[in-house]
Amino acid sequence: GAGVSQSPRYKVAKRGQDVALRCDPISGHVSLFWYQQALGQGPEFLTYFQNEAQLDKSGLPSDRFFAERPEGSVSTLKIQRTQQEDSAVYLCASSSTQLRGDEQYFGPGTRLTVT
Amino acid sequence: AQTVTQSQPEMSVQEAETVTLSCTYDTSESDYYLFWYKQPPSRQMILVIRQEAYKQQNATENRFSVNFQKAAKSFSLKISDSQLGDAAMYFCGISGGGADGLTFGKGTHLIIQP
Repeated sequence: GAGVSQSPRYKVAKRGQDVALRCDPISGHVSLFWYQQALGQGPEFLTYFQNEAQLDKSGLPSDRFFAERPEGSVSTLKIQRTQQEDSAVYLCASSSTQLRGDEQYFGPGTRLTVT
Repeated sequence: AQTVTQSQPEMSVQEAETVTLSCTYDTSESDYYLFWYKQPPSRQMILVIRQEAYKQQNATENRFSVNFQKAAKSFSLKISDSQLGDAAMYFCGISGGGADGLTFGKGTHLIIQP
């Protein structure tokens, strides 16, 4: 079956613009995660959804970051008034249950460059 | 807060040889899971191997095995009979903390010499 997909794959934004990044998880997967991966670093957790409920947003770096998953499937990560430090690859992952030990399936990421 | 440390930014190994990637971690949780993920160039991260902390037996998946030392908080990955397709960034990760996501180390870049 299809894996996790993300769009766009690349996004260039001028500083101050708003951006929206989309994640299509594997169909039927309960859990959805967003991570931010800066150049040369490991992914850092941003936020977690169980179905449509956002249960953890402790990793969101500022109130300019907002995520939603209104119908428990597709998710959107929105960044308002982008700053240069927001430049990174944004990864989405999904897992089939809410269990912490479950394998997370990652998408290819969206590379955001803020100029 | 949980932390994961990968002390080897880069490792190189000859094809068909064995290599071990190091990972240490810190957590106050008693119940957690440890993971090794592989990120090939320009490709998605995929799970290599997973270990449940309460299981003493080291996990193995074909050519990949771990050496899990719970008291030392060490979780190294051994790759036997290295193949060119093993070349990638390898990330060690831990779950089970306050956040529901994984905490990753900075990664080890594995180079396979033909």
